[in-house]
Amino acid sequence: GDKVKQSPSALSLQEGTNSALRCNFSIAATTVQWFLQNPRGSLMNLFYLVPGTKENGRLKSAFDSKESYSTLHIRDAQLEDSGTYFCAAGNTGNYKYVFGAGTRLKVIA
Amino acid sequence: DAGVTQTPRHEVAEKGQTIILKCEPVSGHNDLFWYRQTKIQGLELLSYFRSKSLMEDGGAFKDRFKAEMLNSSFSTLKIQPTEPKDSAVYLCASSLDTEVFFGKGTRLTVV
Repeated sequence: GDKVKQSPSALSLQEGTNSALRCNFSIAATTVQWFLQNPRGSLMNLFYLVPGTKENGRLKSAFDSKESYSTLHIRDAQLEDSGTYFCAAGNTGNYKYVFGAGTRLKVIA
Repeated sequence: DAGVTQTPRHEVAEKGQTIILKCEPVSGHNDLFWYRQTKIQGLELLSYFRSKSLMEDGGAFKDRFKAEMLNSSFSTLKIQPTEPKDSAVYLCASSLDTEVFFGKGTRLTVV
């Protein structure tokens, strides 16, 4: 089965609204990364997390290693937030990351 | 600072050809990864180097895929011979023990 499950798989948001993406892990993860892949295919780093939370502008992410999940909250969604969001689980000492299948987000005006 | 640089950005190959993709990691990074991305399979790890040593060669991809890291600032991924099912985006990434950074990828089309 999927070691990193992302939900939802796709999402359409009205501009200005809020939403949350989720990642559940069935592997032991000590670090999490969130990426946004834009329509041209470039993977941009959003967050690198050890257990805890981080905030950057309209984005906020949390990682709970005991409950094996991570969330990415988007506040006041903008058109440029559209793309595919990936989470990836890592383990300190073994730096390979296992990726989820992604959440395709479309922000509409 | 330069990020991860991949060349070429696009490659078209005929079935049976040998192609070599190139990657320059972020200067000073000691981990280097090659991933393949397709719509069906998503992101799949092909190879993983730590301090130029091959740590993982991606199991199912051993057959026709060979990644090498001749020095700490350059890696290649050779596919030999190419098959149409190899059509995908090939992504190189690097890290220094923590956060991973990706290149823009090479889009390979095998006809």
